[in-house]
Amino acid sequence: AQKVTQAQTEISVVEKEDVTLDCVYETRDTTYYLFWYKQPPSGELVFLIRRNSFDEQNEISGRYSWNFQKSTSSFNFTITASQVVDSAVYFCALSEAGETSGSRLTFGEGTQLTVNP
Amino acid sequence: DVKVTQSSRYLVKRTGEKVFLECVQDMDHENMFWYRQDPGLGLRLIYFSYDVKMKEKGDIPEGYSVSREKKERFSLILESASTNQTSMYLCASSPLAEAYEQYFGPGTRLTVT
Repeated sequence: AQKVTQAQTEISVVEKEDVTLDCVYETRDTTYYLFWYKQPPSGELVFLIRRNSFDEQNEISGRYSWNFQKSTSSFNFTITASQVVDSAVYFCALSEAGETSGSRLTFGEGTQLTVNP
Repeated sequence: DVKVTQSSRYLVKRTGEKVFLECVQDMDHENMFWYRQDPGLGLRLIYFSYDVKMKEKGDIPEGYSVSREKKERFSLILESASTNQTSMYLCASSPLAEAYEQYFGPGTRLTVT
């Protein structure tokens, strides 16, 4: 069975601080995919990134970066120089490979990030 | 832009009522999903569908059913609403491709009194 754990329920930072959101996953599959989504106060989840299990390169997109480490089953997300607009709930998710089963996502509990001015 | 719409943002129903939550997507996606979101539990999959008239149970299907008569529309049905079904319900869609990202609607906050 797959499982995703986001141990940080809530994080509060001051604007311009760097913040890292942790994600730890469990799966028996050798091929799988990891995702991060953002849920702003409006409620609609927004896709941020997808990584497959064979690609351990870290990725950077503007102020966002992701650190994928298979050895520790972690896929952590860092926001550099946080801004108030980054305040949201962030979800990490995992899917198996396969055309239909690969569509199913297992989500973590979510981390509520609050960036204070 | 992909658009997933849900029939209501807020809904209040009484215990025992039959409740329909509607979801429509405009991108010709094969896959559609219903999740419920509860604090501390994240999103949990109720049902999904990968084709018209096809459905598969997710992790928490008890107390729910679904209907997909047209490709663009996926309905979640609570046959007899109960207070423990008070939650945020999120619909999503995606193409039939391995691990494609899902596109989400704005959610329906259902309160059962």
